[in-house]
Amino acid sequence: EAGVAQSPRYKIIEKRQSVAFWCNPISGHATLYWYQQILGQGPKLLIQFQNNGVVDDSQLPKDRFSAERLKGVDSTLKIQPAKLEDSAVYLCASSFEGGSQETQYFGPGTRLLVL
Amino acid sequence: GQNIDQPTEMTATEGAIVQINCTYQTSGFNGLFWYQQHAGEAPTFLSYNVLDGLEEKGRFSSFLSRSKGYSYLLLKELQMKDSASYLCAVRRGFKTIFGAGTRLFVKA
Repeated sequence: EAGVAQSPRYKIIEKRQSVAFWCNPISGHATLYWYQQILGQGPKLLIQFQNNGVVDDSQLPKDRFSAERLKGVDSTLKIQPAKLEDSAVYLCASSFEGGSQETQYFGPGTRLLVL
Repeated sequence: GQNIDQPTEMTATEGAIVQINCTYQTSGFNGLFWYQQHAGEAPTFLSYNVLDGLEEKGRFSSFLSRSKGYSYLLLKELQMKDSASYLCAVRRGFKTIFGAGTRLFVKA
C-alpha cells in the first residue's frame, strides 16, 4: 500500500513570495490533515478535511494560508505572502475516517525555508 | 502544545529501560497516542490508549491513567536506533493535539 505522498520535499523562497504544497493521501482515506511543525516543536494542526469538507481550520492563518481538497482526494496548501516565521516542515497526514482511535499516517513533509 | 507536558530531552544507555512521561489536561479526553519521529522524518505511530492500564507491544509499552491525566511510554532493551523524538498526542473530540516531544538520546 502506497503511503502519503507530498511534494515538493524542499522549498526555499523569499519573504512575500507565494508557495504551494501538494499532498496525495493513502487511497480510501477520507480524512486529510495539514500540520505545521516548527523546529523543536510538535506538529500543529492547520486544517482538517473530511472528504472535501473542512472539519477544523481554527488554527489556519486565513489572511495568508489557504487549502483545498476539491475532489476529496488530493489537497493543496498555499501560503501567500510568506513570512519568515512560516519556515517550518509542513506535514500532510491521512486517516480512514477520522475516528477517535484511528492512527494518522504522515507523509515525508515539505521543508520550507523563508529568507 | 495546549497543556501537554513532556520532558524536553532524555539520555539513556543502550540495553537499558527508559520511561517517557506525558501529562495533559483531562477535559474532553478521547484517547492518547504515542508517535516516534526520527530527525528529518515524519512521525510514525507507536501506540494508542483510551482505557486505563498498560498496553504492551514488543519492546514498547504505554500506560494511561485518565483520572490523573498521565501517560508514559516505556522502552525496554534500548537500541541505538531508538534515538528519536517521542510525541505524546491527545485526542479531544475529533482533534489531535501534539505535545512538543521528548528527544531521546541512546548512548553506547
